[in-house]
Amino acid sequence: GQQLNQSPQSMFIQEGEDVSMNCTSSSIFNTWLWYKQEPGEGPVLLIALYKAGELTSNGRLTAQFGITRKDSFLNISASIPSDVGIYFCAGPEYGNKLVFGAGTILRVKS
Amino acid sequence: SAVISQKPSRDICQRGTSLTIQCQVDSQVTMMFWYRQQPGQSLTLIATANQGSEATYESGFVIDKFPISRPNLTFSTLTVSNMSPEDSSIYLCSVDKPGTSPYEQYFGPGTRLTVT
Repeated sequence: GQQLNQSPQSMFIQEGEDVSMNCTSSSIFNTWLWYKQEPGEGPVLLIALYKAGELTSNGRLTAQFGITRKDSFLNISASIPSDVGIYFCAGPEYGNKLVFGAGTILRVKS
Repeated sequence: SAVISQKPSRDICQRGTSLTIQCQVDSQVTMMFWYRQQPGQSLTLIATANQGSEATYESGFVIDKFPISRPNLTFSTLTVSNMSPEDSSIYLCSVDKPGTSPYEQYFGPGTRLTVT
């Protein structure tokens, strides 16, 4: 099956810093999604992207659908302690099946 | 948005036994999905459950091991049968967001299973 490569694997940043993470695939995707999972919870959808080049914001979060359709980026501005969690990218593999990246673990020092 | 609950939230089970996990949604949905998240890992789709039809299983998952029921548009169960320690994982159900792409999914809080 298709694989999504997320980087970095983990980040430990100072509160107030901006965060960037990305997700790449060897195959073209027509949809990119970003989810966040907090400890003890299920993933929560942050942003969905449907068009190459699309840039979409959700509060302090901004995600972009790469122009090659093989990558996507997520930025978090002015991080705060509640941004802690695991950020997953995901895309449709076939039918209704989503394939998830391995996740980026974000820790914030206050 | 859909509110999803799962029961039990966690359990510790002995090898060789079975556990049935329930997923309840507060609104009618077309598709329900069951995922496994092994410790420190990402999510892997086990099967898709539509009401009134047999669940569709992904490669590596079989009905004898993970039987699924979908009796109506708001409820589904996943059974983990004849458990071994390798089945220790978080099991998550999700539903598609009505009126949008099936990829915009809402997830339940998960069931944390430990098999001893």
